[in-house]
Amino acid sequence: AQSVAQPEDQVNVAEGNPLTVKCTYSVSGNPYLFWYVQYPNRGLQFLLKYITGDNLVKGSYGFEAEFNKSQTSFHLKKPSALVSDSALYFCAVRDRDEGNNRLAFGKGNQVVVIP
Amino acid sequence: GAVVSQHPSWVICKSGTSVKIECRSLDFQATTMFWYRQFPKQSLMLMATSNEGSKATYEQGVEKDKFLINHASLTLSTLTVTSAHPEDSSFYICSATRAAGGETQYFGPGTRLLVL
Repeated sequence: AQSVAQPEDQVNVAEGNPLTVKCTYSVSGNPYLFWYVQYPNRGLQFLLKYITGDNLVKGSYGFEAEFNKSQTSFHLKKPSALVSDSALYFCAVRDRDEGNNRLAFGKGNQVVVIP
Repeated sequence: GAVVSQHPSWVICKSGTSVKIECRSLDFQATTMFWYRQFPKQSLMLMATSNEGSKATYEQGVEKDKFLINHASLTLSTLTVTSAHPEDSSFYICSATRAAGGETQYFGPGTRLLVL
């Protein structure tokens, strides 16, 4: 079984400061890892994913995430946060060795960027 | 791109009626589509996995006769909430993966259902 932990409920950051949203995962096999962002009353928008290769992956809107196998983490980062980055962020994992595409989502982190 | 649409975006219905929600992949073929339910300020709960041309696979605790899923083509899946009750009020979101080796789920904008 796969699972994701996003330990913080809300992340507050001043505009222009670095933003980090934490995620740790658990899978039996090898992971596919994803970050999605959700704005109010909208579906999820894909930000980035780790499949294989470089541990540092770059995604949309200046976001990046680093896969750390030893710490089973996939923290999302952005060097300089914008007010428009305020949204709900979900980390998700899929076990690559399972035959289905089912994702396990974390509970989500509300990011608030303060002007 | 990988665009997924849902229709309607919101619906209000009376208790006891049935509501159909459509999920379409607009610019790609999707062998697999997923249906999720999301309560306010909570994560997504997977309801079922829908494969084109076959029966959907429901998650434990989800009533298949209550939530009917049809995936008749590579671009369309439908979720019908039968005999809806107020407790079925929720935000329903679908996602789709590409037919050719897709590991990324692309999500629709969601459908807000309110049952009176």
